[in-house]
Amino acid sequence: DIQMTQSPSSLSASVGDRVTITCRASQGISNYLAWYQQKPGKVPKLLIYAASTLQSGVPSRFSGSGSGTDFTLTISSLQPEDVATYFCQKYNSAPFTFGPGTKVDIE
Amino acid sequence: QVQLVESGGGVVQPGRSLRLSCAASGFTFSGYGMHWVRQAPGKGLEWVAVTSYDGSNKYYADSVKGRFTISRDNSKNTLSLQMNSLRAEDTAVYYCAKDRAIGVFDYWGQGTLVTVSS
Repeated sequence: DIQMTQSPSSLSASVGDRVTITCRASQGISNYLAWYQQKPGKVPKLLIYAASTLQSGVPSRFSGSGSGTDFTLTISSLQPEDVATYFCQKYNSAPFTFGPGTKVDIE
Repeated sequence: QVQLVESGGGVVQPGRSLRLSCAASGFTFSGYGMHWVRQAPGKGLEWVAVTSYDGSNKYYADSVKGRFTISRDNSKNTLSLQMNSLRAEDTAVYYCAKDRAIGVFDYWGQGTLVTVSS
């Protein structure tokens, strides 16, 4: 099965900073990559699918890129409400594996 | 609006069974694949199982294969997860989730907690 890794596992940044999270698949998955945001105590929320397509209603400061094995999620200007754990997930085929998550905090 | 409401969680002894349900509303349930995803306390997300829109295709994570069974009743807009031979490591919040595209989860329920403990 394809394994998903993320880096860093956690980060702390200032409001307004540009934040980048990396996700890597152990084998190529084309662009079958989604990103989810989970705020503390809340249900996960779909941010991006097809590696770079923003889900309806998601702020434009979020963007995704990549294809094959390497992907990134970028928050162009970090806001206090972005404090959350971010998970990547591959969906080219079952099992639909998630990455271990990246916890984002405000400095 | 789309609503997914899970039920059936609770405390169960190792080796016993439990059945979870997810009541769906606000969309054409019979038109979408549906999933179960779980999250152990303080841990990440783990995909558990999927059923196609008509129930004809089902896939499972290796960790639950042979013990869990996913099913759906499109006449009642209900998704189910039958969990047998439960283990301590099955302790988690179980979410049902709707497919946007196969394997992309655009709506999630609030989750139901399953605790496996003696």
